[in-house]
Amino acid sequence: AQKITQTQPGMFVQEKEAVTLDCTYDTSDPSYGLFWYKQPSSGEMIFLIYQGSYDQQNATEGRYSLNFQKARKSANLVISASQLGDSAMYFCAMREGFPNRDDKIIFGKGTRLHILP
Amino acid sequence: GAGVSQTPSNKVTEKGKYVELRCDPISGHTALYWYRQSLGQGPEFLIYFQGTGAADDSGLPNDRFFAVRPEGSVSTLKIQRTERGDSAVYLCASSLTPVPTGRREAFFGQGTRLTVV
Repeated sequence: AQKITQTQPGMFVQEKEAVTLDCTYDTSDPSYGLFWYKQPSSGEMIFLIYQGSYDQQNATEGRYSLNFQKARKSANLVISASQLGDSAMYFCAMREGFPNRDDKIIFGKGTRLHILP
Repeated sequence: GAGVSQTPSNKVTEKGKYVELRCDPISGHTALYWYRQSLGQGPEFLIYFQGTGAADDSGLPNDRFFAVRPEGSVSTLKIQRTERGDSAVYLCASSLTPVPTGRREAFFGQGTRLTVV
């Protein structure tokens, strides 16, 4: 069963608009962390933002924020005021099992975001 | 070094040959991950090291794949009797051991593009 689901294979958004990239996850572990990574066409994986399962507030990092809805097991990435440089693949990822056991980070299939001028 | 280093950046090999892919993690990072990424897909987990030991090798596709990290730093992914289906980008990432909140993002190398002809 897929643990990370990203239902939007591709999205087109006008420059300067906000965009929401969807991510749902599946875990029975009470301790887990959720990550978003950006992968431009150059191929590098760039860490964007992190949300811990026990964090009381939604994470924010500059123009990136994470809409964390724990009961729905949803961790959507919101990019405000999109820029042409935001065009890339975006991956949602999850780490389970800490701190009692150190576990792997698993990734979703990604969403390709195109920002239109 | 400043970041995760992977060598070679590109490798072309003939079907049936043996290959080794090297990963040099960020100094002091105890956790090391190997992933395989096919075009347009998310990184597929292969193996995870905590220190010298493989904490989780459940993602290795078959016994042709093996990885080591003998001194808890550099890791080598070894593929025997390569097949055309092994062609992909192999990504390595490293992180510090997660703190109780789980916040320890993984830093990725640029990957090794393996082509089996």
